[in-house]
Amino acid sequence: ETGVTQTPRHLVMGMTNKKSLKCEQHLGHNAMYWYKQSAKKPLELMFVYSLEERVENNSVPSRFSPECPNSSHLFLHLHTLQPEDSALYLCASSQDPGPYGYTFGSGTRLTVV
Amino acid sequence: KNEVEQSPQNLTAQEGEFITINCSYSVGISALHWLQQHPGGGIVSLFMLSSGKKKHGRLIATINIQEKHSSLHITASHPRDSAVYICAVWGGSNYKLTFGKGTLLTVNP
Repeated sequence: ETGVTQTPRHLVMGMTNKKSLKCEQHLGHNAMYWYKQSAKKPLELMFVYSLEERVENNSVPSRFSPECPNSSHLFLHLHTLQPEDSALYLCASSQDPGPYGYTFGSGTRLTVV
Repeated sequence: KNEVEQSPQNLTAQEGEFITINCSYSVGISALHWLQQHPGGGIVSLFMLSSGKKKHGRLIATINIQEKHSSLHITASHPRDSAVYICAVWGGSNYKLTFGKGTLLTVNP
């Protein structure tokens, strides 16, 4: 365990389903991130939250909806996804938004059928 | 063209060999990270560099800011080193680490 916990580890969902990914950290970090990792591609930043406020939305489709209810928890709500959204979704945290001290979770492997 | 290029994409070695993975980047940066990703997905931060050289056990990371190049070396490689090694740089727009595609290392016993 790295200190950033993601659930579930694996998720299979249909294109009409609604599901949520959860990320939790108790490291006292103020910034949390969602990344998408598709096969053969670099990690792509999706969202950044700093002190529970969204500070970056990297042109992500609206079928992905993040939520940060407090500084320890981050959710990614999913609805009407497409098969091309199948990927590994990684959560990370850092003390503050910046270049230092990232801790990553183990990821959720999402398959859209 | 990705702003962060890693080479090689795939690397197979025999146990005990000295390993080098390279990372070149095209943007000005304030920090460079080397990350390790095992099968199953979890990512572990190995190093963060802004200049010079860092060493941790059998791992050594170097960076040349003028040449925009970094290398990760593994001495006396072991099968448990088998993983994807990812280079990431912080620079340019705010809040954004830019990642390379990774190097898949396989160390055979």
